[in-house]
Amino acid sequence: DAKTTQPNSMESNEEEPVHLPCNHSTISGTDYIHWYRQLPSQGPEYVIHGLTSNVNNRMASLAIAEDRKSSTLILHRATLRDAAVYYCIHQGGSEKLVFGKGTKLTVNP
Amino acid sequence: GAVVSQHPSRVICKSGTSVKIECRSLDFQATTMFWYRQFPKQSLMLMATSNEGSKATYEQGVEKDKFLINHASLTLSTLTVTSAHPEDSSFYICSAAPGQVHEQYFGPGTRLTVT
Repeated sequence: DAKTTQPNSMESNEEEPVHLPCNHSTISGTDYIHWYRQLPSQGPEYVIHGLTSNVNNRMASLAIAEDRKSSTLILHRATLRDAAVYYCIHQGGSEKLVFGKGTKLTVNP
Repeated sequence: GAVVSQHPSRVICKSGTSVKIECRSLDFQATTMFWYRQFPKQSLMLMATSNEGSKATYEQGVEKDKFLINHASLTLSTLTVTSAHPEDSSFYICSAAPGQVHEQYFGPGTRLTVT
């Protein structure tokens, strides 16, 4: 199964940018990089995904390293509602999402 | 758009009974649905992959006779926990993928407590 490495936890202040790193050194050429987040007692929420190029959407930006072995999820201005566990996943051809432990993001007011 | 619902949101049952959890994609057709289980302070663990009209594919270590999955239509999949025991108490979450599976949409989860 695909594996990623993320810090267990990170802390940020409200309205500051947050950069959440992820290492996926075993990624293959056709794997997509996905980010999901999960608030307590809720199902995960899709954040963003990409293949090679950097991606932007209304929630976040995804910066993918040139060798694709790492990526960074960028929240441009953290809010209290962004406090969650963030999961970075690379998805292979089986379509399964294999969740690691993720990064617990705390946002301080 | 892309809303997935689960019913019930929480259920308490007695040991030895069976519980059915429904997962519905409300505004899209889901060729594939997935069932996950999450224990407290742990990550999601994939239990099975369900394709409409065919048998589910179970992950290693998941008992297919205990966790019955039915994907009868493109908008509904059900998970039945048979002969539930306290160790089956967990947070069960489904997800649904439209034809393009690069985005999966998750349900809100079902909290099962077996007493």
